[in-house]
Amino acid sequence: AQSVSQHNHHVILSEAASLELGCNYSYGGTVNLFWYVQYPGQHLQLLLKYFSGDPLVKGIKGFEAEFIKSKFSFNLRKPSVQWSDTAEYFCALLSSNTGKLIFGQGTTLQVKP
Amino acid sequence: GAVVSQHPSWVICKSGTSVKIECRSLDFQATTMFWYRQFPKQSLMLMATSNEGSKATYEQGVEKDKFLINHASLTLSTLTVTSAHPEDSSFYICSALRFRGEDTQYFGPGTRLTVL
Repeated sequence: AQSVSQHNHHVILSEAASLELGCNYSYGGTVNLFWYVQYPGQHLQLLLKYFSGDPLVKGIKGFEAEFIKSKFSFNLRKPSVQWSDTAEYFCALLSSNTGKLIFGQGTTLQVKP
Repeated sequence: GAVVSQHPSWVICKSGTSVKIECRSLDFQATTMFWYRQFPKQSLMLMATSNEGSKATYEQGVEKDKFLINHASLTLSTLTVTSAHPEDSSFYICSALRFRGEDTQYFGPGTRLTVL
């Protein structure tokens, strides 16, 4: 079965702290992975995506994610968070069979100034 | 580019009434649009896939007679929640693909539906 799991449901950090949000997937086909961010009151925006090639993917706003095939993981990282990073973060898998996105449960990140 | 809008952004209705939500691609033609439902503190659940000019494909467990989807043009898809009940209260989000085979979906801002 295809699934995406995000372990951290609610993360609270102080500004300048480092961030790592976990994402694990279960899928037997070609893996296409995404991280989306949803700022309060706004629509989902694409942070970054992985399709092939370099497993370390850099996205917007200083975010990056590393695809580790052996661990079925695609964790999101940022070396130093800002208050403006407060948002909901979603990891998603694109099913190559159906073309549908499968989302994780989401992680709420709260950054304290 | 690739802006998707939804209207209304929020709506409150009485139980038993029907509510229509619009999803528009503003600066591109969307061959495919998706409708998601998001419960508080939960993930997005795909409800249906809508292709212009054809019937929507609903996910298992989604009542097609309850959630009517019409994709009449390449820039507009509508979701009508018929005979709404309090349990239909949720956040409804649409997304769109710019072309067939595109891998990235562009999301609308969502519509908050509250059924009293």
